[in-house]
Amino acid sequence: EIVLTQSPDTLSLSPGERATLSCRASQSVSNSHLAWYQHKPGQAPRLLISYVLDRATGIQDRFSGSGSGTDFTLTISRLEPEDFAVYYCQHYGSSRGTFGQGTKVEIK
Amino acid sequence: EVHLVESGGGLVQPGRSLRLSCAASGFTFDDYAMHWVRQAPGKGLEWVSSTSWNGGTTDYADSVKGRFTISRDNAKNSLYLQMNSLRPEDTALYYCAKDKSLTSGLLDYWGQGTLVTVSS
Repeated sequence: EIVLTQSPDTLSLSPGERATLSCRASQSVSNSHLAWYQHKPGQAPRLLISYVLDRATGIQDRFSGSGSGTDFTLTISRLEPEDFAVYYCQHYGSSRGTFGQGTKVEIK
Repeated sequence: EVHLVESGGGLVQPGRSLRLSCAASGFTFDDYAMHWVRQAPGKGLEWVSSTSWNGGTTDYADSVKGRFTISRDNAKNSLYLQMNSLRPEDTALYYCAKDKSLTSGLLDYWGQGTLVTVSS
């Protein structure tokens, strides 16, 4: 089973700044089966990106995904107030999905 | 519009049982696999269990295997999680989530969750 390690644990930034979140897999991710989710307190998690770089329906283009093999990145080009949340990467492709431990993006 | 509404959570003593339900609407329920994912207090997301579109194939995290049973009733557009031999470490917010396909593990819609607290 692939283990995902996200870094940093917490990212302290101001609105308007660029956020770069990392997700490293313990082995190569096949078929680009890497997704990103956003989770705010009291809300349902939301799918942002699948297949490394495909934005889900309705997701703004300031969110972008990149990477290959074992190293993946979620970039938020300019943080909006509603973007402060916890972000999880996920490996999928079977009946189960493995999550990273999450990166909290907080207001500086 | 897709809606997933969990219910059945509550306070339960260690060793007891609880059954969670998830009512689905806004999509053709039996076209998709379904999952349960949980979040313990102060922790991240943990995948718990999944069922294929017809319930014929199920899968479980090692932490719950042998204690939890996932099932679905396609006639009622409902997903269930029977939780037996509950432990304090099962305390969490339990989310129902829809798979994006027949069985991929990619979760495109989630419910708001139902809270399970295991404590004496």
